[in-house]
Amino acid sequence: AQRVTQPEKLLSVFKGAPVELKCNYSYSGSPELFWYVQYSRQRLQLLLRHISRESIKGFTADLNKGETSFHLKKPFAQEEDSAMYYCALSKGGSEKLVFGKGTKLTVNP
Amino acid sequence: GAGVSQSPRYKVTKRGQDVALRCDPISGHVSLYWYRQALGQGPEFLTYFNYEAQQDKSGLPNDRFSAERPEGSISTLTIQRTEQRDSAMYRCASSFWTPGTGRYGYTFGSGTRLTVV
Repeated sequence: AQRVTQPEKLLSVFKGAPVELKCNYSYSGSPELFWYVQYSRQRLQLLLRHISRESIKGFTADLNKGETSFHLKKPFAQEEDSAMYYCALSKGGSEKLVFGKGTKLTVNP
Repeated sequence: GAGVSQSPRYKVTKRGQDVALRCDPISGHVSLYWYRQALGQGPEFLTYFNYEAQQDKSGLPNDRFSAERPEGSISTLTIQRTEQRDSAMYRCASSFWTPGTGRYGYTFGSGTRLTVV
């Protein structure tokens, strides 16, 4: 069965500091990985897809199949990055997503 | 419409009552999904549709839960004989096909917060 683990429930950093939100997954096939974000009082929205290898709002994430990880990174955190972040996985060819429990990121001034 | 619309935003119901949650996806989106999110957890898959056909309902927890999308647009998730453990945020999403990437992205609605008392 597929599983997504986000080991940190809460993460707090200061503005300008680097931030890394961890995501590990278990799946025997070739997964597709995503990061979703929910800002306060807003709906859940897609941040990144590993297949597109893009950088959004300064965030990047690299799929490491050897370590089964898809950590989300940003070199200089901003206060507006404070939000709930969810890592999610889908089996190739399936649209069903398996989500982690989420990490609440707080960026302090 | 401009986004995925869910109604009602909040629903409080008594145990044993039936509830119907509505989702209006983005116009033209073929696929529609239902997820449930308990407090402190990530969203959990319930079911999804391509057009009007229910493709996967493996996430529906029991036969009190059902969903339909009769005309391939608006969908209704129905919970019969509600129980307190059904209390959660119910999220709907629709998806588009992005040519060239081979992968979908979801657009979520604001969700319906269901409380069973």
